[in-house]
Amino acid sequence: DAGVTQSPTHLIKTRGQHVTLRCSPISGHKSVSWYQQVLGQGPQFIFQYYEKEERGRGNFPDRFSARQFPNYSSELNVNALLLGDSALYLCASLPGQGARNTEAFFGQGTRLTVV
Amino acid sequence: GEDVEQSLFLSVREGDSSVINCTYTDSSSTYLYWYKQEPGAGLQLLTYIFSNMDMKQDQRLTVLLNKKDKHLSLRIADTQTGDSAIYFCAENAGGYNKLIFGAGTRLAVHP
Repeated sequence: DAGVTQSPTHLIKTRGQHVTLRCSPISGHKSVSWYQQVLGQGPQFIFQYYEKEERGRGNFPDRFSARQFPNYSSELNVNALLLGDSALYLCASLPGQGARNTEAFFGQGTRLTVV
Repeated sequence: GEDVEQSLFLSVREGDSSVINCTYTDSSSTYLYWYKQEPGAGLQLLTYIFSNMDMKQDQRLTVLLNKKDKHLSLRIADTQTGDSAIYFCAENAGGYNKLIFGAGTRLAVHP
């Protein structure tokens, strides 16, 4: 069984550009959450998606958006990149919306660097 | 408000016990978690405790919860060099699977 797959693993973008990060959850899992981890800090919740609908949103600007596809994979989009968006972006896979976080598995993350 | 605080750094000798402390603010959290992050890796769930428990032991790991003081600790017995990593305390918040993480405690194990 494949674990949580995130792509790309590393990415360098210029200020003002747009970026799309991708996540494939564990087979059979229907919920995906996104977290941003700035260097030296703990992860911060961005979004949760379940059955293609947004179920939760953290305190992030509208430049951040996401969507979930029928196969339960997900994309995180960030527009008008700022230097402060440089971070490790983590995806968590859960069986369903009501699942306990004890059943969440995290991917290895995408390291985004904005220059 | 939602906030989780941890000390930032801990250094221990190999074979000793490590104790990592955490305080949290959301008294409605039903579960509290400890995650481990090694360099260049994602987050690995180490252990968790349900909020109506005081203690949970899992092999070398012991979690203590003081709900009155909103204090959580993780004790690692017989600490090994492979335990060197960043440890995050987290609580769940809200009606969905939102996790609130502390800033992480970097554990350094030396011979």
